[in-house]
Amino acid sequence: QKEVEQDPGPLSVPEGAIVSLNCTYSNSAFQYFMWYRQYSRKGPELLMYTYSSGNKEDGRFTAQVDKSSKYISLFIRDSQPSDSATYLCAMREIQGAQKLVFGQGTRLTINP
Amino acid sequence: SAVISQKPSRDICQRGTSLTIQCQVDSQVTMMFWYRQQPGQSLTLIATANQGSEATYESGFVIDKFPISRPNLTFSTLTVSNMSPEDSSIYLCSVQGLSGKVTDTQYFGPGTRLTVL
Repeated sequence: QKEVEQDPGPLSVPEGAIVSLNCTYSNSAFQYFMWYRQYSRKGPELLMYTYSSGNKEDGRFTAQVDKSSKYISLFIRDSQPSDSATYLCAMREIQGAQKLVFGQGTRLTINP
Repeated sequence: SAVISQKPSRDICQRGTSLTIQCQVDSQVTMMFWYRQQPGQSLTLIATANQGSEATYESGFVIDKFPISRPNLTFSTLTVSNMSPEDSSIYLCSVQGLSGKVTDTQYFGPGTRLTVL
């Protein structure tokens, strides 16, 4: 079983829709949770960063962390064609190794 | 904001040869990492590049195959040695501790796309 599970999609939605992307994890020591956006032939770009449980909002993006269920989500409101990319969840422990453990990534397409 | 650059951006190499990838940051950082992203896959950490000492490798990656240098706080190299087609991947450098950025997470360079024939 992978430490981080993410549905690879692909996911295709119409412009303006609300998008929900999710990851589950098994390591209860994970405390930092990130969402990266990766456009084709580019490096991952940090989109959202959350420490421990709760919600965080940044413009059209909302990140949620539910540590009791070991489940994180990214919501995109009023989705735009420019949001079409692969979205990767990542997480790491608070102590010890600084390495990030990534999900497989969800390929998202927003159709005009 | 800080810039992370990688050279080369892409390369096509023959099996059995080696390629050295450079990662340059325009400000000092505390930590630098090297990841591999195989076609259609997610990112896997190869090693943590330690300034002034040997890199720390993840399970499944060895120094003879992926020697890493980090001579200072802004620069690191990854060499992919004795390449085979299975080494065809995107190689990404990331940094942590960028001034003015979230200190507890990593920022990535643009990647080096390697194809081995």
